[in-house]
Amino acid sequence: DAGVTQSPTHLIKTRGQHVTLRCSPISGHKSVSWYQQVLGQGPQFIFQYYEKEERGRGNFPDRFSARQFPNYSSELNVNALLLGDSALYLCASSLDRGGDYEQYFGPGTRLTVT
Amino acid sequence: GEDVEQSLFLSVREGDSSVINCTYTDSSSTYLYWYKQEPGAGLQLLTYIFSNMDMKQDQRLTVLLNKKDKHLSLRIADTQTGDSAIYFCAPGGKLIFGQGTELSVKP
Repeated sequence: DAGVTQSPTHLIKTRGQHVTLRCSPISGHKSVSWYQQVLGQGPQFIFQYYEKEERGRGNFPDRFSARQFPNYSSELNVNALLLGDSALYLCASSLDRGGDYEQYFGPGTRLTVT
Repeated sequence: GEDVEQSLFLSVREGDSSVINCTYTDSSSTYLYWYKQEPGAGLQLLTYIFSNMDMKQDQRLTVLLNKKDKHLSLRIADTQTGDSAIYFCAPGGKLIFGQGTELSVKP
């Protein structure tokens, strides 16, 4: 079975531009979460979607948005990019164990903002 | 708020045991997880423990849980150079991670 896939692998953008990152979960997983990982830090929670509805949101500005599609794949959008948005963006799909989440991560998208 | 704390670095010699410690504030999680991250890669689920267990052994990995003290540890027996990575613990009910522990294994 395929694991979590993310595209693109790497991306270089200029300040002020917007970006769309994509994630396909493991087949059968209905929950997708997005994380931002800045170099030297742990992953910071951005969004969680379950059954196409937002279930949780981390402490990120409104420039960050996401959605989940009927096939459970997901997009993360970031508008008006700042240099500080440069990071590894991780997507995780999960089995919902009654409110606990066993997460399976994709390889990430490395975003560089210049 | 919810928090996960780990020591940042651990250095061991190949063949020794490694013990990575974690403290957390959330007490509601039914499962607690350990993840491994190699350079430039995503996180890999290593193992987990059910919250009503004290210990779980999984080949070279042993997870110990002290629920009263909210302390979780991961012991890696016979540590190999391929174990060099960053290790994260994560309470299953909260989508939070600490800074992780960077394990360096010297030959």
